[in-house]
Amino acid sequence: AQSVTQPDIHITVSEGASLELRCNYSYGATPYLFWYVQSPGQGLQLLLKYFSGDTLVQGIKGFEAEFKRSQSSFNLRKPSVHWSDAAEYFCAVSNFGNEKLTFGTGTRLTIIP
Amino acid sequence: DTEVTQTPKHLVMGMTNKKSLKCEQHMGHRAMYWYKQKAKKPPELMFVYSYEKLSINESVPSRFSPECPNSSLLNLHLHALQPEDSALYLCASRPRQGITANYGYTFGSGTRLTVV
Repeated sequence: AQSVTQPDIHITVSEGASLELRCNYSYGATPYLFWYVQSPGQGLQLLLKYFSGDTLVQGIKGFEAEFKRSQSSFNLRKPSVHWSDAAEYFCAVSNFGNEKLTFGTGTRLTIIP
Repeated sequence: DTEVTQTPKHLVMGMTNKKSLKCEQHMGHRAMYWYKQKAKKPPELMFVYSYEKLSINESVPSRFSPECPNSSLLNLHLHALQPEDSALYLCASRPRQGITANYGYTFGSGTRLTVV
């Protein structure tokens, strides 16, 4: 069965600083990987996705993620965070055929001035 | 139209009530999903519809009854719910075939359900 681990429950970053959110997955074949962001009381917005090809993926809002098969990781990065980036971030993996999306437990990002 | 629309946004219901949640998309997506999200937890899959047929039921109690009357609409009928069913219910959709099937899921903003 597929699974996702986000080891950091809560991260605090100063505005303008760089950010890296960690994600490790477990899946027998090549996974489909996603990062979603959720503001309080809101739905989920897709930041970026990886299916195949270039392992460095660019997303919206200045985010990028790198797929590392050897480490079973798909970490999310942003060079300079803005106060509006404060939210909950979920890494997710999908099985072959993209039928079932399984989420990690999420990382809450707090931005301090 | 690139959105998934969920109504109502908020719902308070008693344990003996019957209510329905509605989800609508006009993107031509042929896979639609219901997820349940408790506070401070990740979304958990409940049901998957593919080409208007139920393809996955994640052992959800029968007090939740999904329905997909057409390719644009997904309903979740609620009956005799318990207070622990209070949660954010999210609908999502995805293209089912072709290269666009590799696109990510599009989520609605959810219905905040409170069972009293």
